Amino acid sequence: LAKTTQPISMDSYEGQEVNITCSHNNIATNDYITWYQQFPSQGPRFIIQGYKTKVTNEVASLFIPADRKSSTLSLPRVSLSDTAVYYCLVGAIYNQGGKLIFGQGTELSVKP
Amino acid sequence: EPEVTQTPSHQVTQMGQEVILRCVPISNHLYFYWYRQILGQKVEFLVSFYNNEISEKSEIFDDQFSVERPDGSNFTLKIRSTKLEDSAMYFCASSFGQTNGYTFGSGTRLTVV
Repeated sequence: LAKTTQPISMDSYEGQEVNITCSHNNIATNDYITWYQQFPSQGPRFIIQGYKTKVTNEVASLFIPADRKSSTLSLPRVSLSDTAVYYCLVGAIYNQGGKLIFGQGTELSVKP
Repeated sequence: EPEVTQTPSHQVTQMGQEVILRCVPISNHLYFYWYRQILGQKVEFLVSFYNNEISEKSEIFDDQFSVERPDGSNFTLKIRSTKLEDSAMYFCASSFGQTNGYTFGSGTRLTVV
């Protein structure tokens, strides 16, 4: 499974766009990139998943350059409730079992 | 939105006692998992379960741990003889297929005293 590197923490203000970048230099051809969000004392929550280029859903966008060695999670117009830890995961999750390997994540703090 | 339900939300047990953590995965999901998170640390994979058998387990998942899907709806994690270091949040998760996002439950906080 590819190792990921992301900032330990980020600060933002309400209404701003937040971009969290994750490096995954050793990503393999069949690896997907998935982002999860975790609030204190809750389970991780799936945000978005992609393989290449751009993916957008109602919560976030995921930008993946052509070389796929990094990815950027973009949260438009954050609110206080977006304060959480965000995890970038990379792996071939369609193998049997499909375990997720979580790193330390990025602790996002949104201020008023 | 369908949810993964875990009970109890908090359990306190004495060292050496057996505990069973319960989970009701989303009904049409096929893959089931247990993860744990010690306070202040990373979420760690314990075990995955598919087609009524363990698909993969981590080093943490030793002989003290077992999983079961007794009735087609519940998915349980049993710790036979709890240790102080088993104190953690335990999360159950399920997924429909391999390329779908996983849905996690809200967790059971296990405190071993």
